[in-house]
Amino acid sequence: NAGVTQTPKFRVLKTGQSMTLLCAQDMNHEYMYWYRQDPGMGLRLIHYSVGEGTTAKGEVPDGYNVSRLKKQNFLLGLESAAPSQTSVYFCASSYSTPWGRYNEQFFGPGTRLTVL
Amino acid sequence: GQSLEQPSEVTAVEGAIVQINCTYQTSGFYGLSWYQQHDGGAPTFLSYNALDGLEETGRFSSFLSRSDSYGYLLLQELQMKDSASYFCAVYDNQGGKLIFGQGTELSVKP
Repeated sequence: NAGVTQTPKFRVLKTGQSMTLLCAQDMNHEYMYWYRQDPGMGLRLIHYSVGEGTTAKGEVPDGYNVSRLKKQNFLLGLESAAPSQTSVYFCASSYSTPWGRYNEQFFGPGTRLTVL
Repeated sequence: GQSLEQPSEVTAVEGAIVQINCTYQTSGFYGLSWYQQHDGGAPTFLSYNALDGLEETGRFSSFLSRSDSYGYLLLQELQMKDSASYFCAVYDNQGGKLIFGQGTELSVKP
């Protein structure tokens, strides 16, 4: 099992450009999440999904969109990149709800995005 | 709202025991989780406490006191490879999401 994979690993964008980050999991998890991590800020939830075809906003959703057309994939889109979106982006998945007994989240290796 | 507080840095020597504290404020509590992250890599799950008391997993233990809104991660027989950032996290029942603390950077010295 590959677990959670993310593509690309690194990306440099210019202000105003768009891009899509892809997350894939092979554990048949219902729940998937996108986080961003900035220095000293911990992990902040951008959007999440509780199943195929569903998405919901997290703490910091502005400037991002997501789609979950297939259970194993969760896409994060930046329509018009801004320097404030320079960050490391992590995707995660879990079998259970965040409050459930089996709520362990499995993280991907991250995408390091720089917006100039 | 939800908030978590944990120390930003902790330093300890190899072979020692270290405790990383976490205090939280939530409107509804379901459990406290701990994650480890090495050098900005993928965070990995360490433990989850839903009830008061101590949970032990090898060299790592996690404690929860719901009445004090407090928990800690205890690392015993420290090894150099334990140098990492450690995050506590609680569930936000108003937003349906896991809220992470800002992380504690543990440095293990020889």
